[in-house]
Amino acid sequence: NAGVTQTPKFQVLKTGQSMTLQCAQDMNHNSMYWYRQDPGMGLRLIYYSASEGTTDKGEVPNGYNVSRLNKREFSLRLESAAPSQTSVYFCASSPNPTGGSSYEQYFGPGTRLTVT
Amino acid sequence: LAKTTQPISMDSYEGQEVNITCSHNNIATNDYITWYQQFPSQGPRFIIQGYKTKVTNEVASLFIPADRKSSTLSLPRVSLSDTAVYYCLVGEKAGTASKLTFGTGTRLQVTL
Repeated sequence: NAGVTQTPKFQVLKTGQSMTLQCAQDMNHNSMYWYRQDPGMGLRLIYYSASEGTTDKGEVPNGYNVSRLNKREFSLRLESAAPSQTSVYFCASSPNPTGGSSYEQYFGPGTRLTVT
Repeated sequence: LAKTTQPISMDSYEGQEVNITCSHNNIATNDYITWYQQFPSQGPRFIIQGYKTKVTNEVASLFIPADRKSSTLSLPRVSLSDTAVYYCLVGEKAGTASKLTFGTGTRLQVTL
């Protein structure tokens, strides 16, 4: 039982390049999330998915796209990377509905992205 | 918009019990109180969640008074490996999503 896994762990991109961050969970959770965490700041929600085939925007969706490929996998794509997207990206999953009152989420190890 | 207030930092010696209190005066009726732990360069880790009274698991206990305007995370017999930042969260929404909003948290330093 690996929990939530993310690849890659580190990535350096040049401005304008594209890439996809991969996330997978083996806990049979319906809800999945993508966050970014900037130095000294808290998490900000980029996108989330209540179930396979559904995705919704969070607080900071501009410059990103997501795909909920199946129940296990939720990928985040940067189409044209910008220096402002330098951050640590965390994927999370939850056994609870995305709009519920519970905030129990399980996080991956993160992807550290630098855009130059 | 529910917000939380917790001490910025705490120090403890190994083997002691540590209690971290969080105030959340505007908590919504249906919301749970959730605590996370985060080590440097790692993702947040869910510790415990409760609605009222007391909840205990293998890691910690969570005490919530009847008015639910505060909560206390209790870590029994801490070790050096418990040095981390601890976050208290209550209800927060981004559109229809239950969103985690981490404040500054409490930086716990455990020493010998």
